[in-house]
Amino acid sequence: GDSVTQMEGPVTLSEEAFLTINCTYTATGYPSLFWYVQYPGEGLQLLLKATKADDKGSNKGFEATYRKETTSFHLEKGSVQVSDSAVYFCALSLYAGNNRKLIWGLGTSLAVNP
Amino acid sequence: DVKVTQSSRYLVKRTGEKVFLECVQDMDHENMFWYRQDPGLGLRLIYFSYDVKMKEKGDIPEGYSVSREKKERFSLILESASTSQTSMYLCASSYSAGRQGRNSPLHFGNGTRLTVT
Repeated sequence: GDSVTQMEGPVTLSEEAFLTINCTYTATGYPSLFWYVQYPGEGLQLLLKATKADDKGSNKGFEATYRKETTSFHLEKGSVQVSDSAVYFCALSLYAGNNRKLIWGLGTSLAVNP
Repeated sequence: DVKVTQSSRYLVKRTGEKVFLECVQDMDHENMFWYRQDPGLGLRLIYFSYDVKMKEKGDIPEGYSVSREKKERFSLILESASTSQTSMYLCASSYSAGRQGRNSPLHFGNGTRLTVT
C-alpha cells in the first residue's frame, strides 16, 4: 500500500550545521509530496511542496527535490538555527477519483543547540 | 492569514463522559479534517468532511463521530470517552481541489490535548 517512511529522530545538531532528514515513499500513481513543520505548542504548517518528478520545493532556507527514481523527498538545509527546532513531517497526496488521500510519515524531531 | 481555531487547548474528562471538541476556520474552506497525534504513531485521520453535512470515515473512526452543520465549524464527538482516547487532537482545513487545485495545503489548529481519566 501507499506509505511514507522518515528517518527516526530525535536529530540533534549544533547551530549552523547542515541538516538532512530522509523521506522515502511508496505510492501507486503520481503523488504530490510535502514537508510540514510543527513548532512546539503549535499545529502543523506547510513548509514546502513538490508536485511532480524533479520539482524542487524551497522555503525558509529548506529544500527538497522530488526524486522519482529513488522515490525520495529528502529535506535539507545548509545552516540550521535554534529557531528550526521542531518536528518535521513528510507527507504524500494522492487522488482516487475525487477523493484526496494524505499519507503521513511519523515525524522527525529536530533539536538545534546554540 | 488562515486561522483554524480549536476551542480548548487542554481538556480533562472522565471515562464515560460525552466530549465535544470544536473547530472553526475563517477561510471558507470546503474540506475539514480531524486527526489525532500520538508519539510513535504520527498523525492518524479520524474523520473528514468535504462539505456541509457531509462526513467520511478516516482510518480510525471507532469511538468518534462528527458534525458539520455550518461550513466553518467541524465538531468531533467522543460518545463515551475512554482512556485510550487520551491524545492530542488536531483539526485542519483546506480548499477543495476545484477551488485551489489538487494540492491545496492543509491549515492546522494548535491542537487540543485531551486527557481521559
